[in-house]
Formats: sequence, C-alpha cells, structure tokens
Amino acid sequence: ETGVTQSPTHLIKTRGQQVTLRCSSQSGHNTVSWYQQALGQGPQFIFQYYREEENGRGNFPPRFSGLQFPNYSSELDVNALELDDSALYLCASSSSFGTDTQYFGPGTRLTVL
Amino acid sequence: GEDVEQSLFLSVREGDSSVINCTYTDSSSTYLYWYKQEPGAGLQLLTYIFSNMDMKQDQRLTVLLNKKDKHLSLRIADTQTGDSAIYFCAETTGGFKTIFGAGTRLFVKA
Repeated sequence: ETGVTQSPTHLIKTRGQQVTLRCSSQSGHNTVSWYQQALGQGPQFIFQYYREEENGRGNFPPRFSGLQFPNYSSELDVNALELDDSALYLCASSSSFGTDTQYFGPGTRLTVL
Repeated sequence: GEDVEQSLFLSVREGDSSVINCTYTDSSSTYLYWYKQEPGAGLQLLTYIFSNMDMKQDQRLTVLLNKKDKHLSLRIADTQTGDSAIYFCAETTGGFKTIFGAGTRLFVKA
C-alpha cells in the first residue's frame, strides 16, 4: 500500500508568482484535504476534494484553488504569492469525506521571497 | 467558533509518563485525534477517539475524553527520547473540516 506523496519537497518563489503543488492520495482513498502550516503553528484547513468536487473550504482567499483528478490525485494552486504564504503545505487523504481518518503526506515547504 | 487549545511545552524525564492536555470548543465534534510531528516531517496519526467514548488505550498511549468539559488528554507511558516531537490535538467537525491546536512540544530528558 502506497502512502500519501507530495511534490516538490521544497520550493522557492518570489512575491506575485504562481505555484502548483501536487499530491498523490493513498491507494483506495477518494478524498483529499489540503492544509497550510505556518512556522510554529498547527495546520489550517484550506479545502477538501471528494470525487473531483470541492467539498468544503476554510478561510482562505480565492487565489488558493485546487483540482482533483479522476485518479484522486490533487493539485493546490496559489496565485499572486504573498510573503505570508511561506509555509509547509500538507495534503491528507481519506477513504471518504466526513469523519474518516486522514493520512498525511510529508508536505511541501514553500518559501516566498 | 471552533477552537482547539494546547499548552506549548512539556518537559519530562526519560521513563516518566507524559500527559499532554487539550481543550476544544465545538460540542459537535465527532472524532478527536492526536498527531505527532517530528522536525521537517508531516503529521503521523497516533490515535483517535470517538466523541461517545471516554477512554481509549493503545499500547503506551492512553486517551481520556471529558466531553462535558471539552477536555482531551494524551498520556504516554514510559516516555522515551524518541517521543520528543510536537503533538497536535485535532477535532473533526462539520463533516469535512479538521481543526488543529497549535501543538505541544514535548522534550524528553535522558
């Protein structure tokens, strides 16, 4: 059984640029959630995708958007990067939305200069 | 609103028990979780408890839930240096959202 994988592991961008982060869900999982973890803080929920549809969203602006593909892998896109977007971005997958246990990937460390 | 709070630091001696505490505000929480995060790594699920349970034991880990006081604790028996990490309390609410605390950094002294 393959766990949750994310790419790239590290990324450096400059303010105003756009970035795409990728996540492959665990085998058999159809739900993917994205979280932003700023330094010294807990993860903050960005949004969740279930069977290619956005299933819920946290308090993040529209420049944070995403996709889920038929194989249930997912992308997180962030436009017009700001310095405060520097964080660890975590992807988690589960076998259904709602209360099912989520399994996290190792994260992508994004630095915005 | 939804909020999860934890103390920021805990220091114990190797071999002692560690108790990490958490309070939450949302009474409609269905599942409560404990995750472990080591430096530079993602989150590792340690254990979870359904909101209709009071206690769950899993090897060295004991979770206690006081739903009336909205208080959750994680006890690690015979704490080892390898247990040094950040521990996050989290709750699932609203069907899709998981709310995390800021994490408790556990230091284990040899």
